[in-house]
Amino acid sequence: GIQVEQSPPDLILQEGANSTLRCNFSDSVNNLQWFHQNPWGQLINLFYIPSGTKQNGRLSATTVATERYSLLYISSSQTTDSGVYFCAVARDSGGGADGLTFGKGTHLIIQP
Amino acid sequence: EAGVAQSPRYKIIEKRQSVAFWCNPISGHATLYWYQQILGQGPKLLIQFQNNGVVDDSQLPKDRFSAERLKGVDSTLKIQPAKLEDSAVYLCASRRYSITGELFFGEGSRLTVL
Repeated sequence: GIQVEQSPPDLILQEGANSTLRCNFSDSVNNLQWFHQNPWGQLINLFYIPSGTKQNGRLSATTVATERYSLLYISSSQTTDSGVYFCAVARDSGGGADGLTFGKGTHLIIQP
Repeated sequence: EAGVAQSPRYKIIEKRQSVAFWCNPISGHATLYWYQQILGQGPKLLIQFQNNGVVDDSQLPKDRFSAERLKGVDSTLKIQPAKLEDSAVYLCASRRYSITGELFFGEGSRLTVL
């Protein structure tokens, strides 16, 4: 199956700093999503981005599908940005099986 | 639009007991997934339904786990008998169609097996 690698595994920043999270995947994909898992365990959808660039407020994401990687940018970090960020991908392998495969996540801590 | 609903939120059982989790997907979503998330890891797919049919259950431990989606809407995931290593959060997710579009998760059901 597809392998998903996220880096860095852990990141500690001061409030106001910017950060870049990376996701590498081992095969072509039809679906790529970024999630934020908050301290209560809820997975929050950030971006559905199988290719291209999107922005939502202080967050933006870019996926370069031909080179098999995606980047999540967080600008002007706030303490509420703390949590685990997951990249997840899927490909249509035939037969309709298309469940997302998750990376191990980046654990982000924003200190006040 | 209501999100994916799951219950119970928390469950504590002894090993060898059974447990069931319930999921109600977003209205109109044909595809439903169950994931297992062990502490410190990313979610792992257990089973995928398309309407009321199973599309992928290759990672479901079928000797103890079972799942059904009657009438193509609600779904139930059962574990019998539970083992200590089944302690995890069980997440339900849904998507309107297969392969394209966003997948949305419920809040999860946290299982502790003692």
